[in-house]
Amino acid sequence: ETGVTQSPTHLIKTRGQQVTLRCSSQSGHNTVSWYQQALGQGPQFIFQYYREEENGRGNFPPRFSGLQFPNYSSELNVNALELDDSALYLCASSLVWRDVSTDTQYFGPGTRLTVL
Amino acid sequence: GESVGLHLPTLSVQEGDNSIINCAYSNSASDYFIWYKQESGKGPQFIIDIRSNMDKRQGQRVTVLLNKTVKHLSLQIAATQPGDSAVYFCAEWTDSSYKLIFGSGTRLLVRP
Repeated sequence: ETGVTQSPTHLIKTRGQQVTLRCSSQSGHNTVSWYQQALGQGPQFIFQYYREEENGRGNFPPRFSGLQFPNYSSELNVNALELDDSALYLCASSLVWRDVSTDTQYFGPGTRLTVL
Repeated sequence: GESVGLHLPTLSVQEGDNSIINCAYSNSASDYFIWYKQESGKGPQFIIDIRSNMDKRQGQRVTVLLNKTVKHLSLQIAATQPGDSAVYFCAEWTDSSYKLIFGSGTRLLVRP
């Protein structure tokens, strides 16, 4: 186990709703990255949070947003859910020192989101 | 554009045999490559990594080989066990970036 935890494990929503997913980073890590993994595909980078700010973003629309808290935990918020948002959402924590990644990213178990 | 891909979507091996999973990448500027194992219903699990200034790295029963000339990465698993059955992803990283770029994965099936 990596020490990265996510909640909830499963979630069912309907189109147009909003969802918040949560992630606690591994002890000693200060950076959280979020990925979306569609069935049968590799994870796709959504964004990264470092020093409580977004530190980079993939090709996802603004209705995907996030937060990082002083304890380095993070939230992923998705507004106006669409059917294609159904996926496994993964967070990964890592350590950034002086703006340079010093370690690989360690993943949590994911949250399975189903949009009906 | 940059991409990380895999040659074989599914690999079936006999228990006890060695497995080789291959990966091609296109970004010659990548600094770092990682292999992850993902079991059903779980997040990707770190297996082994290698920096671009190396060509081989060994772990416990696993070896990663990097051939920068042909932009090829491979994961070798010795004495494959049933517990090795999973989907394996290679991923690449550049130090100036902040994100991992994943391939689509190879499913490893271990026959008893």
